[in-house]
Amino acid sequence: GAVVSQHPSWVICKSGTSVKIECRSLDFQATTMFWYRQFPKQSLMLMATSNEGSKATYEQGVEKDKFLINHASLTLSTLTVTSAHPEDSSFYICSASGGGDEQYFGPGTRLTVT
Amino acid sequence: SQKIEQNSEALNIQEGKTATLTCNYTNYSPAYLQWYRQDPGRGPVFLLLIRENEKEKRKERLKVTFDTTLKQSLFHITASQPADSATYLCALGRRSGNTPLVFGKGTRLSVIA
Repeated sequence: GAVVSQHPSWVICKSGTSVKIECRSLDFQATTMFWYRQFPKQSLMLMATSNEGSKATYEQGVEKDKFLINHASLTLSTLTVTSAHPEDSSFYICSASGGGDEQYFGPGTRLTVT
Repeated sequence: SQKIEQNSEALNIQEGKTATLTCNYTNYSPAYLQWYRQDPGRGPVFLLLIRENEKEKRKERLKVTFDTTLKQSLFHITASQPADSATYLCALGRRSGNTPLVFGKGTRLSVIA
């Protein structure tokens, strides 16, 4: 159990366009979802915490108008990278928690902005 | 500022030996500590969780210790196999329930046949 999926697994987009990434908890209800970004050979960096039905809490330095997060249901959260630029190219990973201490991670989405 | 250090960026070990990975932290009081495995281009996979009041946890060939006085966790893989080759991440949680994790940079383990 405790499976989290992400879609798409990879995406290439042109500079200036927007990209939406979906994160789904397949077999449990996720009261909280987290979005992380990981650059090559770096640690996972938390971008924002998303609770179902409320606004996301963003970490310092993360532009909330650029990285739009929606958590409309207990099984789905979306991250939209608006007006993407090459420096936004990264590996985006979501995780989901059902209320306990364990977090279950999605397989990640590789975003390349050309 | 809080800091999490994993002993080395890379660790090579002979098949069959015990791999020991270290996670040290400063300026942080975690309620629990987790270890994850991450393969290239994939998301982390949960392995073990140990709480601040626990000294040791085991799961099959894996063992984790947690010393809150030393602010250190050790992660052991016994009878290591080439399939254990991956990056291992330690992550700290400040309090229970729905809180974000703070990750170390990871140690890339290579088990050589």
